[in-house]
Amino acid sequence: NAGVTQTPKFRILKIGQSMTLQCAQDMNHNYMYWYRQDPGMGLKLIYYSVGAGITDKGEVPNGYNVSRSTTEDFPLRLELAAPSQTSVYFCASSYPRRGTYEQYFGPGTRLTVT
Amino acid sequence: QQQVKQSPQSLIVQKGGISIINCAYENTAFDYFPWYQQFPGKGPALLIAIRPDVSEKKEGRFTISFNKSAKQFSLHIMDSQPGDSATYFCAASLGDDKIIFGKGTRLHILP
Repeated sequence: NAGVTQTPKFRILKIGQSMTLQCAQDMNHNYMYWYRQDPGMGLKLIYYSVGAGITDKGEVPNGYNVSRSTTEDFPLRLELAAPSQTSVYFCASSYPRRGTYEQYFGPGTRLTVT
Repeated sequence: QQQVKQSPQSLIVQKGGISIINCAYENTAFDYFPWYQQFPGKGPALLIAIRPDVSEKKEGRFTISFNKSAKQFSLHIMDSQPGDSATYFCAASLGDDKIIFGKGTRLHILP
């Protein structure tokens, strides 16, 4: 199993450009998440999904959109990129069961908006 | 109410020493408390977790101590090694969908 994969690893965007961060998992997990990580600020939840066709906002959803058409894929769309979106983005997945809620993280995408 | 407060922000420990990271929470409905470990350039990975009906959980050199009445929990790393140098996040969950993370502690073990 590849686990959770993310592409690209690095990206530089100009202000106002758009892009999609890709995330895929091959563990048949029904739950998937997008986080952003800023220095000294921990991980902030952007959006999450509990299954195909179902998405919901997290703590910091403004400026982002998601879709979940399949169990495996959960892309994150940035429209009109702003410098405040410079961050490291992590995708994660989980299969919650009684007694464990472990989330499996991808390697991250480092995004710079200038 | 939804916050998890973590301290210290950074920690330097001599090889062989004990590393201690502390976390506090307000919401008594949290029912799962994991710790994640993150190496530079990598995503976080689950290290150890505890549920509030247990006061301590040990896995190898890593121990979680949980104080339900004080709403605090801590991670102890015994015999700390240079390979333990990483960022550690405490977290709390209300159920099976979302986890709230602390701001992280950057741990450096001196060789």
